[in-house]
Amino acid sequence: GENVEQHPSTLSVQEGDSAVIKCTYSDSASNYFPWYKQELGKGPQLIIDIRSNVGEKKDQRIAVTLNKTAKHFSLHITETQPEDSAVYFCAANQAGTALIFGKGTTLSVSS
Amino acid sequence: DSGVTQTPKHLITATGQRVTLRCSPRSGDLSVYWYQQSLDQGLQFLIQYYNGEERAKGNILERFSAQQFPDLHSELNLSSLELGDSALYFCASSVAPVANYGYTFGSGTRLTVV
Repeated sequence: GENVEQHPSTLSVQEGDSAVIKCTYSDSASNYFPWYKQELGKGPQLIIDIRSNVGEKKDQRIAVTLNKTAKHFSLHITETQPEDSAVYFCAANQAGTALIFGKGTTLSVSS
Repeated sequence: DSGVTQTPKHLITATGQRVTLRCSPRSGDLSVYWYQQSLDQGLQFLIQYYNGEERAKGNILERFSAQQFPDLHSELNLSSLELGDSALYFCASSVAPVANYGYTFGSGTRLTVV
């Protein structure tokens, strides 16, 4: 089955800096790669996603890139703000069934 | 409010007991997924139901079972509970039978086994 590795597990940045979180996946049949943000005491919330026929997607301060050949994808957050502090999860769909998640990255943005 | 409702929010029970967690999907969604979230294992996929039928199984223990009812709400039953079953349990819903679209997660049920 699919296996998703996520790095780093923790990331601390200063307000205004950029943050990058990287994930690798194992199943070449995976074709959908979402990113979720989880704030304390809440369920994960979808923030951006990318499909295998696209190399990059942007939405304001966040962007995701996908390298199918290398089987890795990354989340980029620019001009970070304190409210970006949360746990971020990457995921990949497994052979038409469920999303398989990485173990998460705790992002801390200090002002 | 995500539109996915999970009850109860908190549950404390003793080892060996049985509990039932409930999930109502977002209006119009036919798929319900259950995940277990623990500190060291992240979000682990347990099971998926689509329009009342089991569609996919993940790392679900034999002590755990689930079902989806005609009104599309789902229940996750956990029996012979052990200390290690303490975790956050999330359900998520989506419109499609396959995971080609993002899910909407509920706010979770925190289970504590003492």
